[in-house]
Amino acid sequence: AQTVTQSQPEMSVQEAETVTLSCTYDTSENNYYLFWYKQPPSRQMILVIRQEAYKQQNATENRFSVNFQKAAKSFSLKISDSQLGDTAMYFCAFTYVGNRDDKIIFGKGTRLHILP
Amino acid sequence: DTEVTQTPKHLVMGMTNKKSLKCEQHMGHRAMYWYKQKAKKPPELMFVYSYEKLSINESVPSRFSPECPNSSLLNLHLHALQPEDSALYLCASSQNRVDGYGYTFGSGTRLTVV
Repeated sequence: AQTVTQSQPEMSVQEAETVTLSCTYDTSENNYYLFWYKQPPSRQMILVIRQEAYKQQNATENRFSVNFQKAAKSFSLKISDSQLGDTAMYFCAFTYVGNRDDKIIFGKGTRLHILP
Repeated sequence: DTEVTQTPKHLVMGMTNKKSLKCEQHMGHRAMYWYKQKAKKPPELMFVYSYEKLSINESVPSRFSPECPNSSLLNLHLHALQPEDSALYLCASSQNRVDGYGYTFGSGTRLTVV
């Protein structure tokens, strides 16, 4: 069974600091995708960054980057120069090629507070 | 247009009412999804439509009835709901099923059943 674990239910950091959100997953698949979604109080789930498992290079989107450690099955999200607008729930998610259930498997989420 | 639009944003309904949620996208995506999300929990998959055909029903009670009239539109018909059905209902779309690009989500309908 595929699982996604986010071990930090809640975090708070000061504005402009760097913060890292942890995510580990378990799978026996080789061809899969990992995602970080952001859900601010406005409720919309926004795709922040995605990583293809067969790519060794870590994905980067502006202030957001990931540390993808395939052997360790770890996929952490780093937010640099954090801003008040980064306050949100962050979900780590996983899916794989050939997934007949068509599920994106979500972790339980990390609530991130950026403090002024 | 890179959005998934959901209406209404808020809905309060009684247990004997019939209502519908609407979801629309014009990105040419061929897979559309309904998710249910309780407070402080991740979304839970309810239904998947692929090329306008229902491909997955996650054992959802029959009081929820999905419909996909065309490739851009997805409805969720509600009837005889229970208070425990109160939740945020999210619609999402993707180019194809499990295409690795992730989903585009709408901003959801906050449903309260009284």
